[in-house]
Amino acid sequence: AQSVTQLDSQVPVFEEAPVELRCNYSSSVSVYLFWYVQYPNQGLQLLLKYLSGSTLVKGINGFEAEFNKSQTSFHLRKPSVHISDTAEYFCAVISNFGNEKLTFGTGTRLTIIP
Amino acid sequence: DAGITQSPRYKITETGRQVTLMCHQTWSHSYMFWYRQDLGHGLRLIYYSAAADITDKGEVPDGYVVSRSKTENFPLTLESATRSQTSVYFCASSELGWDRNSPLHFGNGTRLTVT
Repeated sequence: AQSVTQLDSQVPVFEEAPVELRCNYSSSVSVYLFWYVQYPNQGLQLLLKYLSGSTLVKGINGFEAEFNKSQTSFHLRKPSVHISDTAEYFCAVISNFGNEKLTFGTGTRLTIIP
Repeated sequence: DAGITQSPRYKITETGRQVTLMCHQTWSHSYMFWYRQDLGHGLRLIYYSAAADITDKGEVPDGYVVSRSKTENFPLTLESATRSQTSVYFCASSELGWDRNSPLHFGNGTRLTVT
C-alpha cells in the first residue's frame, strides 16, 4: 500500500519570498510522484511529475521539486512567489507495480501575503 | 473547446433527496473518475470507469451510484443525500487511467450542500 503525507495544511509566505511545500510518501516499491495545483474555484491541474532520471524536476510557473529516495520526500519549491501562486497544492503518488490507484495527500494551502 | 465540464457548479439539497451531478468530457478519454474533496481528507476516490459500461468502486463509494452509458458522460447520483455528503465533487478524465504518462484532467467541481 502507498500513502502520502503533506505536513503543512497552510503556508503563508510574503510575496517574492521563497517557499517550500513538504511531501513525504510511503511505499514498499518504486513510485511515481506528482504535484497538482488547484487555483481558487478551479479543478486540479498537473504542476510537475517525477518518473525517473534526474531527481530535480521542473514544472510550470517556476516551480520545481526534488525527489529524495532516502528521505522518501518530494518537496516542492519556488525561489520567489507571486500573488498568482495563491492556491492549494496536492502531492500524489502511485507505485510502478501492479494496478495501483493514484493517492493524493491532504493538500497545502499556499497564501501569498502582499 | 475541448475539456471537461461539470454541472451544476453549486447545489443545495435536502436530506433524503436524490441528486445527480453531471460530468461531460470532449476528449474521448477512456477513463473517468469522481472524487470528493473535504478539509483534512484531500481528494478521495468515489468511483471510476475504465470505459463505457465499466465502472468500479473507489475508496468511499457508499451512498453513491454511477453509470456510464456513453464514453463522454459519467453522472454521479446520490440516491438519498445525507449531511455527510456535503462536499466539493470533482470529475476527472484521463486517456490511460492512472498511467504515469497520462495526467488527470479535472473539471471545476460541484459544491454540494445537503441541509
